[in-house]
Amino acid sequence: GQQVMQIPQYQHVQEGEDFTTYCNSSTTLSNIQWYKQRPGGHPVFLIQLVKSGEVKKQKRLTFQFGEAKKNSSLHITATQTTDVGTYFCADRSYNTDKLIFGTGTRLQVFP
Amino acid sequence: EPEVTQTPSHQVTQMGQEVILRCVPISNHLYFYWYRQILGQKVEFLVSFYNNEISEKSEIFDDQFSVERPDGSNFTLKIRSTKLEDSAMYFCASSEDRVYTGELFFGEGSRLTVL
Repeated sequence: GQQVMQIPQYQHVQEGEDFTTYCNSSTTLSNIQWYKQRPGGHPVFLIQLVKSGEVKKQKRLTFQFGEAKKNSSLHITATQTTDVGTYFCADRSYNTDKLIFGTGTRLQVFP
Repeated sequence: EPEVTQTPSHQVTQMGQEVILRCVPISNHLYFYWYRQILGQKVEFLVSFYNNEISEKSEIFDDQFSVERPDGSNFTLKIRSTKLEDSAMYFCASSEDRVYTGELFFGEGSRLTVL
């Protein structure tokens, strides 16, 4: 079955440093959604990417969808302690109702 | 802001017992889901529900699992005979439209501990 992997698994950064998580799929991605899960919390939708090569920004967050639609990335500029959590990418194929989550990247930010 | 609510927040049960987890999706949403997350791991799809029937289910969702929408507001997940490996956080989610076009709104989860 389809596997969606993310690297790194963990990332510890000093506040103010940048952070990037990469999402790679064994098959072509249909659309990519990104979710953030705070420690002890539930996944919260961040954004959806649909088009090959698409780039979207939300303040300090930049999301990219690969040209071949087999990978995606999330980059956070100048991390803050409020960015702490696990970031998941998730893919849904065209003809299904299930969202396949990536393995997640846990971000820890030290003040 | 509308939200998905889940009860109970934590349930402890003995192996072999039946468990029912309850969810109230956002009122105008049409698609409902259950996901689970074993501690420290990724979020796994269990089942999707639309128009009063299951639209898709995963390999995890075997005969021990069932879902129901007994009235216009609640959406329940039943585990008939719990196993140790069912211990996880169970998230209910809903969406206004199919996942392909819209985001999922997750509840805060029900933590199930099977002893």
